[in-house]
Amino acid sequence: NAGVTQTPKFQVLKTGQSMTLQCAQDMNHNSMYWYRQDPGMGLRLIYYSASEGTTDKGEVPNGYNVSRLNKREFSLRLESAAPSQTSVYFCASSGQMNTEAFFGQGTRLTVV
Amino acid sequence: EDQVTQSPEALRLQEGESSSLNCSYTVSGLRGLFWYRQDPGKGPEFLFTLYSAGEEKEKERLKATLTKKESFLHITAPKPEDSATYLCAVTSGGYQKVTFGTGTKLQVIP
Repeated sequence: NAGVTQTPKFQVLKTGQSMTLQCAQDMNHNSMYWYRQDPGMGLRLIYYSASEGTTDKGEVPNGYNVSRLNKREFSLRLESAAPSQTSVYFCASSGQMNTEAFFGQGTRLTVV
Repeated sequence: EDQVTQSPEALRLQEGESSSLNCSYTVSGLRGLFWYRQDPGKGPEFLFTLYSAGEEKEKERLKATLTKKESFLHITAPKPEDSATYLCAVTSGGYQKVTFGTGTKLQVIP
């Protein structure tokens, strides 16, 4: 039972490049989330999907897009990476919206 | 807007030296308060959910309590393996999101 799996674990992008962060959960959870974690700022919600087929903006959605591909998978896309998007990104899932969440191992993204 | 403040930012304890971490919150209608543990280079790991003032939950050396303004994570006789960053988060009845604090970094010295 893998829980929440994120890929890749590390990535370096040049300014303006695009990439997609992948996330999959095997717990049959309805809700999935993308967070970013920056020093001194805590975890901030980028986008969330309350249930399969729905997505909504979180606190810091600018520069990102998401796709809830099916119940298991929730991807985050950076269309044109900027240095301000250098961060650690976490995917999480929960049975229902805002109940106990299970997090992936994170993706450390550097934009140069 | 929901706010969560954790203190202290960092705490260094000797093995066996009990202490408490604080999480103060301001929300409009608390639906739940969460505690997570985060080890370096890993994602947060769920510890507890508390829903109403007066509620307490325990797990091994950890005990979480909740009042109307704050939550405490009490650590009894800590061991070096308890070293981690402890995150507090709240969810309220309004906008559907969870607000995280910036965490307390705990170091337990053998």
